[in-house]
Amino acid sequence: DQQVKQNSPSLSVQEGRISILNCDYTNSMFDYFLWYKKYPAEGPTFLISISSIKDKNEDGRFTVFLNKSAKHLSLHIVPSQPGDSAVYFCAFNQAGTALIFGKGTTLSVSS
Amino acid sequence: DAGVIQSPRHEVTEMGQEVTLRCKPISGHDYLFWYRQTMMRGLELLIYFNNNVPIDDSGMPEDRFSAKMPNASFSTLKIQPSEPRDSAVYFCASTDDTMNTEAFFGQGTRLTVV
Repeated sequence: DQQVKQNSPSLSVQEGRISILNCDYTNSMFDYFLWYKKYPAEGPTFLISISSIKDKNEDGRFTVFLNKSAKHLSLHIVPSQPGDSAVYFCAFNQAGTALIFGKGTTLSVSS
Repeated sequence: DAGVIQSPRHEVTEMGQEVTLRCKPISGHDYLFWYRQTMMRGLELLIYFNNNVPIDDSGMPEDRFSAKMPNASFSTLKIQPSEPRDSAVYFCASTDDTMNTEAFFGQGTRLTVV
């Protein structure tokens, strides 16, 4: 069974607007929640993370929100730029274990 | 550091052949992970090592898959015999963070089994 679900395979947004990517999880024991970004023909790269004791973390245009009661994670990108077009994976882990990834959401930002 | 290095970048092989994928983790990283990416399943964990010891191989799909880490700077993922459904992009990743909050990925090996 899937512990992590990214229910939207794709998202299209206009440049300058907000992109919101979502992720749901089932395991309440996760300690850390992360977002990775992947361009074609490259490996995923770390984008931003949040620990289970927080509900928000910001890094420039990127903000991650954690709603533990709803077991929901989201990534907001404001403003979106064409260079943000990529596949975004949410990932989770418990201390000392491997990251578990969602299936990914392909973001397309048009200029 | 050059990052995680995987070879080959592309591999095309015939069904039934043995395939070996290689990975050199970042120096000093003591965790190494093998992931597989497919359209249907996304990024799925196959196996991971800590200090060269396999910790969890529950993601390895079948006995046809095996992985080794003979030393801290080298790991292999072998498929024998290969099948068309093994076609995917295989990623290796490493980290030095015992909390595993961030892993560094290689560029992947695109495997095509015909």
